[in-house]
Amino acid sequence: DGGITQSPKYLFRKEGQNVTLSCEQNLNHDAMYWYRQDPGQGLRLIYYSQIVNDFQKGDIAEGYSVSREKKESFPLTVTSAQKNPTAFYLCASSIDLGPDYEQYFGPGTRLTVT
Amino acid sequence: AQKVTQAQTEISVVEKEDVTLDCVYETRDTTYYLFWYKQPPSGELVFLIRRNSFDEQNEISGRYSWNFQKSTSSFNFTITASQVVDSAVYFCALSGFMKTSYDKVIFGPGTSLSVIP
Repeated sequence: DGGITQSPKYLFRKEGQNVTLSCEQNLNHDAMYWYRQDPGQGLRLIYYSQIVNDFQKGDIAEGYSVSREKKESFPLTVTSAQKNPTAFYLCASSIDLGPDYEQYFGPGTRLTVT
Repeated sequence: AQKVTQAQTEISVVEKEDVTLDCVYETRDTTYYLFWYKQPPSGELVFLIRRNSFDEQNEISGRYSWNFQKSTSSFNFTITASQVVDSAVYFCALSGFMKTSYDKVIFGPGTSLSVIP
């Protein structure tokens, strides 16, 4: 089945450690996105990528980094510089960048940093 | 600045009742898109509808209907004859028309709907 996979579902880390969240899609979509969701808040855009080897910062990119070496993969690294990393992280993809194209979401990764 | 407000944080209804989820938006753009997404307990967001600002016709899809009123900057979502499977968090969202660069999607805070059997 086509879709977006994020692994793991739950992730626990100690403060000060970097952690990488996986996002893979087999929909042949060009655009990919990372969002952060906090309780009682909507999704906020961290990074997005329109094409391989290109990505742009969203609203809350500080403390995060991404890479887009392959069309199907868009991993997110939460660095120790991120002040409050505990959150639910959602990856999405769309055929192309822009509101004309529906975003398909993965099941998310819940990161807890203690 | 763009903003989406969903004043109802949590709603509980009994199965088969109708329920309306409110969404009010702010934007300076004359052209824009509005969206509704559903987030079931499994976590992934499911796209429900996209409406552009040119089209003020209401839309119905099965038990779901949407009322877009530009005059009041609202895009409300009604579920008729609610079912337990409708229990989820629902997000209203807004996006520009991507004139020169990516107009990201702005999400509201969400409304958590519980349908009680």
